[in-house]
Amino acid sequence: DAGVTQSPTHLIKTRGQQVTLRCSPKSGHDTVSWYQQALGQGPQFIFQYYEEEERQRGNFPDRFSGHQFPNYSSELNVNALLLGDSALYLCASSLRTAGTYNEQFFGPGTRLTVL
Amino acid sequence: GENVEQHPSTLSVQEGDSAVIKCTYSDSASNYFPWYKQELGKGPQLIIDIRSNVGEKKDQRIAVTLNKTAKHFSLHITETQPEDSAVYFCAASRAGNTGFQKLVFGTGTRLLVSP
Repeated sequence: DAGVTQSPTHLIKTRGQQVTLRCSPKSGHDTVSWYQQALGQGPQFIFQYYEEEERQRGNFPDRFSGHQFPNYSSELNVNALLLGDSALYLCASSLRTAGTYNEQFFGPGTRLTVL
Repeated sequence: GENVEQHPSTLSVQEGDSAVIKCTYSDSASNYFPWYKQELGKGPQLIIDIRSNVGEKKDQRIAVTLNKTAKHFSLHITETQPEDSAVYFCAASRAGNTGFQKLVFGTGTRLLVSP
């Protein structure tokens, strides 16, 4: 049973460019969350997708957008890249169950470097 | 806003010693507290979690305690081994009726276990 997978593993971009990161959730999961982890920091919540809609959003600008596909996979898009966007981007998947705790399983992340 | 503070930032112990990591959360509505272990080049892996209706939970060498009044929770690792060396993150979450929850992470503790 494959866990959460992310691609690419590493990515180098220059300021002002746009980037798309991809995530496939763990088998049986229907909810995808994205987190940004700066070097030496804890992950910070970007947003969460369920049934192809954004359900929650953290304190990130509109340059960060996402999408979820019918097969539950997801993309994170970042426009107009800034040096400060350099980080490890983590995808986490879970199975939504209303009224209870939904364990989130993390992928290995995509390391984005903005030059 | 929601905030989770974590201490210490680094912890060095000898193999066989115990290690304790402490966290404090700000959102009194938080009711789910997972702990993650992150090894170099990997995504965070859930090692144990505790819910607000429980004061303590143990799983072999790992235990977590929760003090809701003080809004503190702690991770205890006994009989540490070199393979316990990693970065540990605490997190807090509010699990509600919608089934959508975001994790608010601490800043991490780098644990080094020397043989």
